[in-house]
Amino acid sequence: AQSVTQLGSHVSVSEGALVLLRCNYSSSVPPYLFWYVQYPNQGLQLLLKYTTGATLVKGINGFEAEFKKSETSFHLTKPSAHMSDAAEYFCAVSEWGGSNYKLTFGKGTLLTVNP
Amino acid sequence: DAGVTQSPTHLIKTRGQQVTLRCSPKSGHDTVSWYQQALGQGPQFIFQYYEEEERQRGNFPDRFSGHQFPNYSSELNVNALLLGDSALYLCASSFRGKSEAFFGQGTRLTVV
Repeated sequence: AQSVTQLGSHVSVSEGALVLLRCNYSSSVPPYLFWYVQYPNQGLQLLLKYTTGATLVKGINGFEAEFKKSETSFHLTKPSAHMSDAAEYFCAVSEWGGSNYKLTFGKGTLLTVNP
Repeated sequence: DAGVTQSPTHLIKTRGQQVTLRCSPKSGHDTVSWYQQALGQGPQFIFQYYEEEERQRGNFPDRFSGHQFPNYSSELNVNALLLGDSALYLCASSFRGKSEAFFGQGTRLTVV
């Protein structure tokens, strides 16, 4: 069975500082990995995804993540935080299975950005 | 191009009642998945519909059922509502379950 652990339910950074949100996964097969962002009272928006190929993935709004198989990690980073980055972030894993494609999410990390 | 649309946006029901939530997938998508997001938690997979059939199901009781129509839209039905069913219900669509999943804004269900 697949699972996701997000380390730190709440991360607080200053505007302009590095953002690092941690995600570790467990999967019995090569995983597909995703980061989603959720603003208050909104649905989920895809930031970036790793399927195959290059392990460093760039997404929207300056975010990127690196797939490290040996560490079973997929941490999300952004060099310089902006106030608009304040939101909840979810890491998710999917085991590729043709039409049986479902996401297993972590519990989320709330990012606050201080001026 | 309309994205994934869900209705209603908010709903208040009484324990024991039944509720139906609706979802229209993004144009060109044929697969719909439903997720439950309790307060302070990540979304949990309920089930997925493709070609009008339930293809995969998460760990939810039979009180949760669904349907997919020929136009690919979908309904989630919950019977005998419990207080614990209060949550944000998210619908996600994709193409044949193989592409990126796009999420709707969700339906906030409150059971009192």
